[in-house]
Amino acid sequence: EVQLVESGGGLVQPGGSLRLSCAASGFTFSSYAMTWVRQAPGKGLEWVAGISGSGRTTYYADSVRGRFTISRDNSKTTLYLQIISLRAEDTALYYCAKNLRDGVAAPFDYWGQGTLVTVSS
Amino acid sequence: EIQMTQSPSSLSASVGDRVTITCRASQGITNDLAWYQQKPGKVPNLLIYDASILHSGVPSRFSGSGFGTDFTLTISSLQPEDVATYYCQKYNSAPLTFGGGTKVELK
Repeated sequence: EVQLVESGGGLVQPGGSLRLSCAASGFTFSSYAMTWVRQAPGKGLEWVAGISGSGRTTYYADSVRGRFTISRDNSKTTLYLQIISLRAEDTALYYCAKNLRDGVAAPFDYWGQGTLVTVSS
Repeated sequence: EIQMTQSPSSLSASVGDRVTITCRASQGITNDLAWYQQKPGKVPNLLIYDASILHSGVPSRFSGSGFGTDFTLTISSLQPEDVATYYCQKYNSAPLTFGGGTKVELK
C-alpha cells in the first residue's frame, strides 16, 4: 500500500524558514517523480515543485522559485521541501504527491494528508 | 505560461443527472490533462489522466474527453457521493497548472 506522510509544518513568522518532509513507502521510491502541491485555506490547488526520480531534474512554480528547494533522499525514501523567506501568502496545506510515472510532467496518483504551514506574526 | 480555465465554477444538479464540466487551455497541450476530485475536507483523488483514461478504481460513470485546448469531464449519472470540487490539471510541461475548480452540489 502506498503511503505518503508529510511532516514539518507549523506556525512561522514572516521571513522565517521551514523544511517539510514526506516519508514514502509501499512503492519503489526512486522510480517515480514526486511533487509538492499546496492549497491555501478555502482556495484551489497550486502546483509548487516537482523532482525526477533520480533527483537530477527539478521544476518550480514562478511564485516560489528562489525561495523553495525540492529535494529527495532515495536511500531514506523521503521527499523534502526547504522553504525560506516565508510570506503570508505561503500559508497553505502542503501536500506531497507521487507522480504516476517518472518524469515531472505526469499526473499524481497518490497524495499525502498534507502538513499545514501558517505564516503569521 | 499556459492558463487553465474551468467552467462553470459551481453547479447544482439532481441525483441521476448528467453533469459536464469543461476545461480550456490557453494553448494546446495535446492530451496531457488530468481530472481530480476533492471531497470536502479530503485529499484530492486522481480520476482521469491522458484526457480520457480512467484511473484504477474510479467508477465508470466518470469519463473524460478532449484534445488540444478543450476538455470535458462527464458524470453520466450524478450520485450523492460525487459532491466535491473537481480540478483539471495540465502536465505537458512545467508549470503543471491546475484549473480553478468546479464545485458540484446536489439540488
